[in-house]
Amino acid sequence: AQSVTQLDSHVSVSEGTPVLLRCNYSSSYSPSLFWYVQHPNKGLQLLLKYTSAATLVKGINGFEAEFKKSETSFHLTKPSAHMSDAAEYFCVVSGAGRRALTFGSGTRLQVQP
Amino acid sequence: DAGVTQSPTHLIKTRGQHVTLRCSPISGHKSVSWYQQVLGQGPQFIFQYYEKEERGRGNFPDRFSARQFPNYSSELNVNALLLGDSALYLCASRPGVQGDATNEKLFFGSGTQLSVL
Repeated sequence: AQSVTQLDSHVSVSEGTPVLLRCNYSSSYSPSLFWYVQHPNKGLQLLLKYTSAATLVKGINGFEAEFKKSETSFHLTKPSAHMSDAAEYFCVVSGAGRRALTFGSGTRLQVQP
Repeated sequence: DAGVTQSPTHLIKTRGQHVTLRCSPISGHKSVSWYQQVLGQGPQFIFQYYEKEERGRGNFPDRFSARQFPNYSSELNVNALLLGDSALYLCASRPGVQGDATNEKLFFGSGTQLSVL
């Protein structure tokens, strides 16, 4: 079985400051991990994915995440937040038979001017 | 190119009714998946179809069914609607390697918002 836990339901930062969205995972095999973003009234968009290559993964829009097996973590970071980053972010692990995705409960990111 | 399209965008039904949601994948994509997103939660996997065959099913009751057509579009059907079925239903497509979902990017539609009264 596999699951993800997003440690913060809401994160608020000021524009131009760093972003940290935390995610811990549990998986009975070598996991594939993803971060997706959901803007209001828009579909989910893939930010980045980890599939057992480099542990530091770079994604779109300046986001990156580091896979830490010893800590079972896959935290999402960005050096400088932009107003357009305000959205819901989901940490995701590949699921049963790797044909399904298991989503975390989401972290709502607010960016203050 | 058109992305994943879903119809309708919004739907209101009453308890006990039946609903059909539709999804057109990106051209050339053979695999379609359905997810349910209840307000305040992450999406939950319902079904995956590839080449018109069910390839995966999540933990949903038999009231939920789906099918995929020769043109790779898909329908999700829900019978005997309950209040708890109120959710955003998301369709996602990918090119459709038969195997796992890890090596192919999933493309999501904007969803159908279903309200059950």
